[in-house]
Amino acid sequence: EPEVTQTPSHQVTQMGQEVILRCVPISNHLYFYWYRQILGQKVEFLVSFYNNEISEKSEIFDDQFSVERPDGSNFTLKIRSTKLEDSAMYFCASRPGTSGDTQYFGPGTRLTVL
Amino acid sequence: GQSLEQPSEVTAVEGAIVQINCTYQTSGFYGLSWYQQHDGGAPTFLSYNALDGLEETGRFSSFLSRSDSYGYLLLQELQMKDSASYFCAIPDQTGANNLFFGTGTRLTVIP
Repeated sequence: EPEVTQTPSHQVTQMGQEVILRCVPISNHLYFYWYRQILGQKVEFLVSFYNNEISEKSEIFDDQFSVERPDGSNFTLKIRSTKLEDSAMYFCASRPGTSGDTQYFGPGTRLTVL
Repeated sequence: GQSLEQPSEVTAVEGAIVQINCTYQTSGFYGLSWYQQHDGGAPTFLSYNALDGLEETGRFSSFLSRSDSYGYLLLQELQMKDSASYFCAIPDQTGANNLFFGTGTRLTVIP
């Protein structure tokens, strides 16, 4: 069964550094998402992406964040200047795009900012 | 805005039945989803209700009452592996159906 994959599984970085989190959505899906989950808290929406552009973004997704789909398979989340509070699990998800369908989540990247 | 309320913790005995409730507030409702998440794992889709009534998938069932803005997840014949967090979630009004998650219910199954 096809699945969403994410790399790396764990990323440790120094405050102020840039990180790029990578995702390969399921191949025939049309909508892509990034969510984050701070330890012990709920999953929070960051951004959705459709037709090669941002569809919607939350208040969390400020100017330090950006997303790209550089080729036909990868979907990336870049954090330009990481802060301590960016430490969280980051989940990528994708959805086919048909009515009533569901989102499929990747295994996540645990980002630790020191 | 949107809000979802769930109990924070539930404990149940192996083999028993447990119900996890979710009440929601939203200006536009498109359906209620349930996700399971084991510690350190990703949210895994369990069910989706767009219409009132009960949806059954094996040991898991989900119910929705749109007039009451309420739904629940029913887990039967509990197994130890069902110990996890369970989140209800609603898609927002945009075409992208971004998910808004509840705070989650931590289910602990005991022998």
